[in-house]
Amino acid sequence: GQNIDQPTEMTATEGAIVQINCTYQTSGFNGLFWYQQHAGEAPTFLSYNVLDGLEEKGRFSSFLSRSKGYSYLLLKELQMKDSASYLCALYNFNKFYFGSGTKLNVKP
Amino acid sequence: KAGVTQTPRYLIKTRGQQVTLSCSPISGHRSVSWYQQTPGQGLQFLFEYFSETQRNKGNFPGRFSGRQFSNSRSEMNVSTLELGDSALYLCASKVRTGENIQYFGAGTRLSVL
Repeated sequence: GQNIDQPTEMTATEGAIVQINCTYQTSGFNGLFWYQQHAGEAPTFLSYNVLDGLEEKGRFSSFLSRSKGYSYLLLKELQMKDSASYLCALYNFNKFYFGSGTKLNVKP
Repeated sequence: KAGVTQTPRYLIKTRGQQVTLSCSPISGHRSVSWYQQTPGQGLQFLFEYFSETQRNKGNFPGRFSGRQFSNSRSEMNVSTLELGDSALYLCASKVRTGENIQYFGAGTRLSVL
C-alpha cells in the first residue's frame, strides 16, 4: 500500500492561514494530488505536484518533497466556504491512492 | 458542459441483494473510474474502464464488477451485498486512460441493512 497519512480534523479561523500535511510511504509515484470535498458533494481537483517544490494557485498552494515523503496544502485568507474535507492522493501507474482526508472547520 | 452524473443518488438495500449503479461521464470522456468512500478507509479505487475494457483494478472481491458501454456510460454491480458495503460510491471520468486529471460525480450513497 501507499500508507498515506493526514490529520483527521483541523480547525482554523476565518482570514487565517492553514497548512494541511500529508505524509506517505512509497518508493515512487507519478504525482501527488489534492482534492476538496464539501459534505455530500463530489471531490473537486485543487492542485497537483510532479516535481519537488511549491505550486501556487490563487489562495491555494501545494508543496512536495519526495525525499522526505511529505506534502502539504496551504490555504491562505481562509473563508467560511473553505470548510470541507481535503484529500491527498498519490497517482501511480494509472491509479489514484487516497488518504482518509482532513476535515477542515473554519470558524468566524 | 454537463458534469459527471451518477444515479441513483441514494439507495437502500438489504443483505444478500444485488445493486447496480450508473455513471455518465462528461461528454467526450472515455475513461470512467469507480471508487468506494467510507469514513474509516477513505477513497479506495475499485476499477477503471476505457473503451469498454477494464484497464485497472483495485483490491476488491469479485462481488464488485463493472462494465462500460459504447457511449462511455458505465455501470457498477455489487452482488450478495454485505453490511460493510454501505458507502458512498463515486465515479470519475477523464478523457482517456493515463490522464491524471479526473472529474468526480456526486456519488451514490448505498445503505445496506
